[in-house]
Amino acid sequence: AQKVTQAQTEISVVEKEDVTLDCVYETRDTTYYLFWYKQPPSGELVFLIRRNSFDEQNEISGRYSWNFQKSTSSFNFTITASQVVDSAVYFCALSVHRTGANNLFFGTGTRLTVIP
Amino acid sequence: KAGVTQTPRYLIKTRGQQVTLSCSPISGHRSVSWYQQTPGQGLQFLFEYFSETQRNKGNFPGRFSGRQFSNSRSEMNVSTLELGDSALYLCASSLGDGGTIYFGEGSWLTVV
Repeated sequence: AQKVTQAQTEISVVEKEDVTLDCVYETRDTTYYLFWYKQPPSGELVFLIRRNSFDEQNEISGRYSWNFQKSTSSFNFTITASQVVDSAVYFCALSVHRTGANNLFFGTGTRLTVIP
Repeated sequence: KAGVTQTPRYLIKTRGQQVTLSCSPISGHRSVSWYQQTPGQGLQFLFEYFSETQRNKGNFPGRFSGRQFSNSRSEMNVSTLELGDSALYLCASSLGDGGTIYFGEGSWLTVV
């Protein structure tokens, strides 16, 4: 079975602080995909990043960076110099190629509040 | 290019009624998936359609159904609505397996 755990329910930081959102996943499959989405109050899930299980290279995109470590089954997300516009709920998700690459298993989300 | 479009954005229905939600995927995307989001259960996969065929289905009762048309547009239907069906219904599209999955803004359904 597939499972995604986001242990941090809510995080509050002061603007310009760095913040890391944790994501731990479980799967026995070797071909899988990991995603991060941002959900503002409007409801839309905004795509942030996708990684497949064969690509452990970490990535930096502007103020965002992701640390994928298969050894610990983690796919953590860091926002550097946070801004008020980063306030949202962030979801980590997993899909497995064998049973449906487009069938996402979501974590429970982390609500990030950036205080000005 | 245009993103995933869902209609209607908000709707209120009465228990026992049925509802149909519509989703237009990103041009060229052949896979359309539907998700239900509630405060209690979080985000849950309903089903996926690819080239007009249901390819995967989540653990939801038969009252939840869907279809996909030849132009990849999709509809989902919920019959005999229950109060617990109140949720945000999200549609997602992708080119195929393993690609980026993009979501629409969702349809907020309230059952009274």
